[in-house]
Amino acid sequence: GESVGLHLPTLSVQEGDNSIINCAYSNSASDYFIWYKQESGKGPQFIIDIRSNMDKRQGQRVTVLLNKTVKHLSLQIAATQPGDSAVYFCADRGQDNFNKFYFGSGTKLNVKP
Amino acid sequence: EAQVTQNPRYLITVTGKKLTVTCSQNMNHEYMSWYRQDPGLGLRQIYYSMNVEVTDKGDVPEGYKVSRKEKRNFPLILESPSPNQTSLYFCASRGVIEHTGELFFGEGSRLTVL
Repeated sequence: GESVGLHLPTLSVQEGDNSIINCAYSNSASDYFIWYKQESGKGPQFIIDIRSNMDKRQGQRVTVLLNKTVKHLSLQIAATQPGDSAVYFCADRGQDNFNKFYFGSGTKLNVKP
Repeated sequence: EAQVTQNPRYLITVTGKKLTVTCSQNMNHEYMSWYRQDPGLGLRQIYYSMNVEVTDKGDVPEGYKVSRKEKRNFPLILESPSPNQTSLYFCASRGVIEHTGELFFGEGSRLTVL
């Protein structure tokens, strides 16, 4: 089946620095990826998505990079703030359109003041 | 306010005692899904529904049932809960017209089976 993982279970950054959260996937046919943010005690919240025909997509303070050659994507958060402290998941969709999504185990981002 | 509402948020029960976790969304979404979240395993899909009376298995459906009699509701049923179903459960919904995979999640239901 699908496999989506994250490189580090925990990442600590200083407030104001940039954060980079990495994710690897196994299915070379995966064509759509999403990043979610999960704050403590809450459900995951959509951040940004990217299709496989793109290498880069930018949102507000976030950028997702996709490297299909090595099956890797990353989420970059600019000027990290305390409110960015959360667990971040990448997910890719299954082959049958948007019915199934496969989530990684998450990276916990700690922002130090 | 657009939201997905789950109940109960917390539940402790005993092995074999049937329970239902309700899920309701007010966004008129066609697609709804249940996930369980366990440490180190991420979110795993239990069941999903594309519309009323249309449901299908996810990756870990064993021990669970669902129904979709109304568009807004998608309850998760544990007929005979077992300790390995102790987990954090999330319901999610999505519109199918929008060509994105953005899922809207509920706040979660933490279930403990003794």
